[in-house]
Amino acid sequence: KAGVTQTPRYLIKTRGQQVTLSCSPISGHRSVSWYQQTPGQGLQFLFEYFSETQRNKGNFPGRFSGRQFSNSRSEMNVSTLELGDSALYLCASSSTGAGFMFGETQYFGPGTRLLVL
Amino acid sequence: LAKTTQPISMDSYEGQEVNITCSHNNIATNDYITWYQQFPSQGPRFIIQGYKTKVTNEVASLFIPADRKSSTLSLPRVSLSDTAVYYCLVGRPTSGAGSYQLTFGKGTKLSVIP
Repeated sequence: KAGVTQTPRYLIKTRGQQVTLSCSPISGHRSVSWYQQTPGQGLQFLFEYFSETQRNKGNFPGRFSGRQFSNSRSEMNVSTLELGDSALYLCASSSTGAGFMFGETQYFGPGTRLLVL
Repeated sequence: LAKTTQPISMDSYEGQEVNITCSHNNIATNDYITWYQQFPSQGPRFIIQGYKTKVTNEVASLFIPADRKSSTLSLPRVSLSDTAVYYCLVGRPTSGAGSYQLTFGKGTKLSVIP
């Protein structure tokens, strides 16, 4: 089975621009979650999509948004980029998204490294 | 949200057992505890998950005391390939099917020395 793929792997943007990141989950997985990882804050949960609906959301401003398509592929968008948005953005997929309560494993992609100048 | 605290770094020699403890003092009744391993330039990898007492799988054990205010990840006989960052995560179910809040620890960098 192919793993979780994320594109692009690296991205450089300037302040004020917007960016869209893409995530393709493992075939058959319906839940896709997004995370931001920085040296200062560590791993932080952004949001989770299940069957094209945002089901869970972390504590991030509205500049961070996402969507999920009918084939479970997901995109994350960040508008009006700030220097502090420089980070590794990780995507994870699981079958039902219930992993944190019922032991279902989440599979992470390699991430997209975003640098904002 | 649950707050998690774990040591920033630990060193261990090959072949030793390593115990990494995560503190989560305000854990709630329905919260679950999960540990992940992350190598440089890779996404986190699930290691183990538990609710209470002890859970063991082929790579690690997770000890959770009765008050559940902490959890300890135990790695038996570590090797150089276990050098990685280990994250503690508390997941809290909220209202609505499949809804939850997640709190990650800042991670513990484990260095295994030959």
